[in-house]
Amino acid sequence: DSGVTQTPKHLITATGQRVTLRCSPRSGDLSVYWYQQSLDQGLQFLIQYYNGEERAKGNILERFSAQQFPDLHSELNLSSLELGDSALYFCASSVGGTSGNEQFFGPGTRLTVL
Amino acid sequence: GESVGLHLPTLSVQEGDNSIINCAYSNSASDYFIWYKQESGKGPQFIIDIRSNMDKRQGQRVTVLLNKTVKHLSLQIAATQPGDSAVYFCAETTGTASKLTFGTGTRLQVTL
Repeated sequence: DSGVTQTPKHLITATGQRVTLRCSPRSGDLSVYWYQQSLDQGLQFLIQYYNGEERAKGNILERFSAQQFPDLHSELNLSSLELGDSALYFCASSVGGTSGNEQFFGPGTRLTVL
Repeated sequence: GESVGLHLPTLSVQEGDNSIINCAYSNSASDYFIWYKQESGKGPQFIIDIRSNMDKRQGQRVTVLLNKTVKHLSLQIAATQPGDSAVYFCAETTGTASKLTFGTGTRLQVTL
């Protein structure tokens, strides 16, 4: 158990819908990362927050957005869902927000878009 | 663009043998490398890391070798056990940025 929690574990929805994935980082960790794992793209970095502020952005679609709240939990919002958005979404957390800080991954949310 | 790739998608080894998983990277500015293990239904789990000012680092039953000249990284697992069966990813970061760029992954199958 990494100490990072993600809810829900599974999510099935239809195209065009909007969903929210939630992540609680390990106690004491200030940085949260979101990654997408799909069969054709592998594991890809989406976005990073550090202490409530956006720190880095990857290949995140405009239909996707995220935020980190004062209690440090984070939410990833996916809207206008397409079939290709079906993937595993992982959240990771680390103490610091720079390279060299070990990232601990949560168990993931499996999103299926029908 | 930058990329991190793996030579072999699947590696099958016998229990007790040593395993070697390879990874090539293309960004010469990459300076921090990590190996992750992902078991079925779980998130990636940190195994070992190495900075670019080192060429070897050892952990418990694992060794990471870094060859910056040819931009190659390898993970050696000694006395491979059934519990080592998983997908292994190399990842890298550049500079102070902490976003991880992952390789495609190698599935390690341990046979009895």
